[in-house]
Amino acid sequence: GQNIDQPTEMTATEGAIVQINCTYQTSGFNGLFWYQQHAGEAPTFLSYNVLDGLEEKGRFSSFLSRSKGYSYLLLKELQMKDSASYLCAVSNDYKLSFGAGTTVTVRA
Amino acid sequence: DVKVTQSSRYLVKRTGEKVFLECVQDMDHENMFWYRQDPGLGLRLIYFSYDVKMKEKGDIPEGYSVSREKKERFSLILESASTNQTSMYLCASSPSPGTSGTWEQYFGPGTRLTVT
Repeated sequence: GQNIDQPTEMTATEGAIVQINCTYQTSGFNGLFWYQQHAGEAPTFLSYNVLDGLEEKGRFSSFLSRSKGYSYLLLKELQMKDSASYLCAVSNDYKLSFGAGTTVTVRA
Repeated sequence: DVKVTQSSRYLVKRTGEKVFLECVQDMDHENMFWYRQDPGLGLRLIYFSYDVKMKEKGDIPEGYSVSREKKERFSLILESASTNQTSMYLCASSPSPGTSGTWEQYFGPGTRLTVT
């Protein structure tokens, strides 16, 4: 079976840093995705990790530890437009299993 | 840019009606997926297809069927809609990984279905 956990909600101030954790226990693993989803819109791809370590892409970074079944998404220099849900998803071949999502609210 | 389109953004149907949700992608992707998204539950896979006329059940296939007659089109069918099928339905497509090595999925805008 698949078990993917992430916090339900997080709140942070504009300009700050927020770290969204994701832990997983899955029957197969090819990689881990992070998606961003604004209210009423489609999820859009943010990052992909297949090897252990940190992947940096501008203000967003994602980390993976396969031995610990753990990932995090780091959002730096938060902007109001970063208010959204962030979805952690584990890939097993062409199937993705999603966590319930973390809603991030950025306050001025 | 990859484009995944869904036939309706909002749909209201009555209990017992047969409902068709259509999804079209324009990037020649092999794989297509149907999810439903509910608060607190995240995205749950209903069905996926890895080739024309091929389909596999996902995690919650009960009450749904699918059709893929052409590579670019994947339809979700609710044979007899029920109120517990009120949800946001998202379609996605992905290429086989090839040289990129990833199974990144591209999502459509979603259809919010209400069954009354």
